Amino acid sequence: AQSVTQLDSQVPVFEEAPVELRCNYSSSVSVYLFWYVQYPNQGLQLLLKYLSGSTLVKGINGFEAEFNKSQTSFHLRKPSVHISDTAEYFCAVSDRGGAQKLVFGQGTRLTINP
Amino acid sequence: GAVVSQHPSWVICKSGTSVKIECRSLDFQATTMFWYRQFPKQSLMLMATSNEGSKATYEQGVEKDKFLINHASLTLSTLTVTSAHPEDSSFYICSAPSATENTEAFFGQGTRLTVV
Repeated sequence: AQSVTQLDSQVPVFEEAPVELRCNYSSSVSVYLFWYVQYPNQGLQLLLKYLSGSTLVKGINGFEAEFNKSQTSFHLRKPSVHISDTAEYFCAVSDRGGAQKLVFGQGTRLTINP
Repeated sequence: GAVVSQHPSWVICKSGTSVKIECRSLDFQATTMFWYRQFPKQSLMLMATSNEGSKATYEQGVEKDKFLINHASLTLSTLTVTSAHPEDSSFYICSAPSATENTEAFFGQGTRLTVV
């Protein structure tokens, strides 16, 4: 079984500042890793995913994440945030057999202040 | 990307009544769909896997008689909350795996259910 821990429930940041949203996971098998964004009253949109290969993954909207196997982490970063980045962000994992069946972290609410 | 549509986006119902939520894959076929539940300020928890042509697979602790799932066609899965109670109030989201990329799933916009 897998589990995901997002260490920060809320992250307030000023516009144009950098941000890092932290994610740690636990699994006895190899996993795929994902970051999703959820805008109010909407479904989830995929930001990026790590499947294999390069540990630095670039996604949409200027986000990137780095897979660190030794620390079992997959932190999400953006060098300069915008007001429009205000949303809920979810880290998720799946095992490599049923890739679309996801285990989610608790979510991090990113609030961008002007 | 592919589109998954949920209907309704929100619904208010009285205790004891049943509510049906639809999940449609609009431009691709999905033999499998997933139903998640999200409590306020919490994460999404997988409730069940909907399988076209066969019974749904429920996660541990999810009452199959309360949350009825029917995968009627390759583009439609429905979740019926039977005899709803206030504690069933939640945000329900479905997802469908990509037909071409087996590491990606597409999510519906979610349904907010309020039972009064």
